[in-house]
Amino acid sequence: EIVMTQSPATLSVSPGERATLSCRASQSVSSNLAWYQQKPGQAPRLLIFGASNRATGIPARFSGSGSGTEFTLTISSLQSEDFAVYYCQQCNSWPQTFGQGTKVEIK
Amino acid sequence: EVQLVESGGGLVQPGGSLRLSCAASGFTFSDYWMHWVRQAPGKGLVWVSRISNDGSYTKYADSVEGRFTISRDNAKNTLYLQVNSLRAEDTAIYYCARDFNSAGDYWGQGTLVTVSS
Repeated sequence: EIVMTQSPATLSVSPGERATLSCRASQSVSSNLAWYQQKPGQAPRLLIFGASNRATGIPARFSGSGSGTEFTLTISSLQSEDFAVYYCQQCNSWPQTFGQGTKVEIK
Repeated sequence: EVQLVESGGGLVQPGGSLRLSCAASGFTFSDYWMHWVRQAPGKGLVWVSRISNDGSYTKYADSVEGRFTISRDNAKNTLYLQVNSLRAEDTAIYYCARDFNSAGDYWGQGTLVTVSS
């Protein structure tokens, strides 16, 4: 099983600032990586698929990069609605494991 | 509009069973692979099972293999998860999700399964 490790566990950011979230895979997943946003009491929402492709309706301030074992989700200018938990997920092999999440909170 | 609506969760004793359902609408259900994902209270996401669009291929997480069965009825636009031999550690919100490039692009609101005596 591929282990996904996200860092940091919590990120404190002021509105309007840039946020950079990291995700590392225990072995290569090529570009088969997705990012999700989850707010309290809600289902996850797909943000990025294929490591760098924004899902339908996702604002351009969200961008993904990386391949192999190192990936990054960047939120260029945080809006109030972006404070949430973010998960990465490898889609390269079964089981399709998730990271433990990064909570983005208001500084 | 794509909609996925789960149902069938509830309180069940250890060793018990439930059948979870996911009613799909707003898209051609028979064209899509589907997934079940669960989330224990206050914890992260865990992929549980996956099924091909025609139901011929299924896959399970090791933790549920032999106890859970995924299936679908394309005529009824419904996905199922039969959960047997339930354990306390199966307590979670169970989400269904539509497959998109092996990720989940649309998710239901989830149904809560609580395993407790």
